[in-house]
Amino acid sequence: GNSVTQMEGPVTLSEEAFLTINCTYTATGYPSLFWYVQYPGEGLQLLLKATKADDKGSNKGFEATYRKETTSFHLEKGSVQVSDSAVYFCAPNYYDKIIFGKGTRLHILP
Amino acid sequence: DVKVTQSSRYLVKRTGEKVFLECVQDMDHENMFWYRQDPGLGLRLIYFSYDVKMKEKGDIPEGYSVSREKKERFSLILESASTNQTSMYLCASTRGILNTEAFFGQGTRLTVV
Repeated sequence: GNSVTQMEGPVTLSEEAFLTINCTYTATGYPSLFWYVQYPGEGLQLLLKATKADDKGSNKGFEATYRKETTSFHLEKGSVQVSDSAVYFCAPNYYDKIIFGKGTRLHILP
Repeated sequence: DVKVTQSSRYLVKRTGEKVFLECVQDMDHENMFWYRQDPGLGLRLIYFSYDVKMKEKGDIPEGYSVSREKKERFSLILESASTNQTSMYLCASTRGILNTEAFFGQGTRLTVV
């Protein structure tokens, strides 16, 4: 079946460091790709999305590009802040249901 | 402001009890989902529904059932709660299927003792 793999956490970085969280998905069909973020004590909320190849989604300084040739959707941010500490989920939408990665917990140290 | 509301943030139930988790969305979304979230396992799909009175099994339906009598409400039922059902339960809804964002409730942390 369809699946998604994202890098294991936790990831600990200092403030202003560069962030990459890797995500790869199985290539059945042509899914839309999403990143969700979960702040402590809250439900998930959409961070960004891309719906076709080479699309770049962006929000709050985060970016991810839909790479069909490598079936990847890596999340990046040039300079992280303490307030970015959260759990991040990669989530392809395969038309019948959304598949979530296991989540990557991010800790940002001041 | 769009909203998915789960009836409880925290619940404590005894083994063997019948447990109802309620979810209501105010966005007129067709699709609704129940996930459980456990450390190291991410979100796992329990059941989903594409329309009133319709339901589909997800990846881990055993020990659960669902009910969708109205479009805005999707209930998760634990027929006989067990300690291995202690978890965070998340409800979500989407409009249609293609390219659509999921909206989540705040979650219900259920403890079965």
